Amino acid sequence: DQQVKQNSPSLSVQEGRISILNCDYTNSMFDYFLWYKKYPAEGPTFLISISSIKDKNEDGRFTVFLNKSAKHLSLHIVPSQPGDSAVYFCAASEASGTYKYIFGTGTRLKVLA
Amino acid sequence: EAQVTQNPRYLITVTGKKLTVTCSQNMNHEYMSWYRQDPGLGLRQIYYSMNVEVTDKGDVPEGYKVSRKEKRNFPLILESPSPNQTSLYFCASSLGGVLETQYFGPGTRLLVL
Repeated sequence: DQQVKQNSPSLSVQEGRISILNCDYTNSMFDYFLWYKKYPAEGPTFLISISSIKDKNEDGRFTVFLNKSAKHLSLHIVPSQPGDSAVYFCAASEASGTYKYIFGTGTRLKVLA
Repeated sequence: EAQVTQNPRYLITVTGKKLTVTCSQNMNHEYMSWYRQDPGLGLRQIYYSMNVEVTDKGDVPEGYKVSRKEKRNFPLILESPSPNQTSLYFCASSLGGVLETQYFGPGTRLLVL
């Protein structure tokens, strides 16, 4: 049973527009959420994170929104750039100290110039 | 340069032949982890280690062993590889803390015939 789901395998967006990547989870014990970006032939790189005490976290062009009641988080990229084209994974963890992460299946973002 | 290194990067082997994939980090990180990436399944955590001699199972530990005898190294051992362990493997490390950035290695592509 997939506890973290990214239901859109792929997404195409025009350069300069907003990219919205979604992630749903089923485990209400998840308290910490992270987004990673992955280019082909490279390891994932960390983008942004959020804990359940917040509903929004911003870092430059990247904003993560968390809706705990809906068990849903989203990553907004504004404005989207061609270099953002990559696979994006969301990940969740239950509580500080467990260090066990459940990743989603990923969404391939393509930003069109 | 701060990095996580994995060796080998590519490996073809046969069923039942024991193998070890090494992982080393030079950032003095407490936490290290192994993941596998498979199409349609995203990243799945195999094992993790919070410190020397402290390891724990991730989501898919069956068929794998790990050890953490030194802080910088975290080898992944497949005692009797099977074709369903054909995958792309990533090692990662972080300072510790569930929202700490995990730094990933470049990946090891394994084919078990």
